[in-house]
Amino acid sequence: LAKTTQPISMDSYEGQEVNITCSHNNIATNDYITWYQQFPSQGPRFIIQGYKTKVTNEVASLFIPADRKSSTLSLPRVSLSDTAVYYCLVGLMNRDDKIIFGKGTRLHILP
Amino acid sequence: DGGITQSPKYLFRKEGQNVTLSCEQNLNHDAMYWYRQDPGQGLRLIYYSQIVNDFQKGDIAEGYSVSREKKESFPLTVTSAQKNPTAFYLCASSKVVSNQPQHFGDGTRLSIL
Repeated sequence: LAKTTQPISMDSYEGQEVNITCSHNNIATNDYITWYQQFPSQGPRFIIQGYKTKVTNEVASLFIPADRKSSTLSLPRVSLSDTAVYYCLVGLMNRDDKIIFGKGTRLHILP
Repeated sequence: DGGITQSPKYLFRKEGQNVTLSCEQNLNHDAMYWYRQDPGQGLRLIYYSQIVNDFQKGDIAEGYSVSREKKESFPLTVTSAQKNPTAFYLCASSKVVSNQPQHFGDGTRLSIL
């Protein structure tokens, strides 16, 4: 099964840059890498998606090395409101036609 | 504004009762999904639908049923066969079932009385 591995939790401070890395050794050729953010009692929200190299939007950057076996979500100058769970999702259908949303990374921003 | 609407936000079920959770989208998306989330856990796929009148089981379909009679609507029924239904249920949609990002509703929290 294609799956992802992320740190269970991370702490950081306001104003810092936060990097969350996701491992996906079994990524398929056609798979994209997508990151979501979830606040308590809400549905996940799409943050960013990429296939290779670097993607940047108004809220984050996504770095993907040439072998695509990992990816790093970078959040610049975080604030308290960035405290949330972040999910890395690879492709949408793995080889068994199932969608795998792991447990995500709980990011806690401290003042 | 386009989006996904789930209702109700909170739902209580008595033992032995079936309950239906509503999910409506006005994004003109072909694909729709139902997930279950337990406290401190990730999302687990219950059912998904790629197109009207078609749906597929996910990882934890037992005790649940769905229908997709309209493109906009994908209701989920939690049957009495689901022995541990207390959870947060999330509905999502995407343009197609592929690498397209999913748009999520705000969820329905189901509890057993």
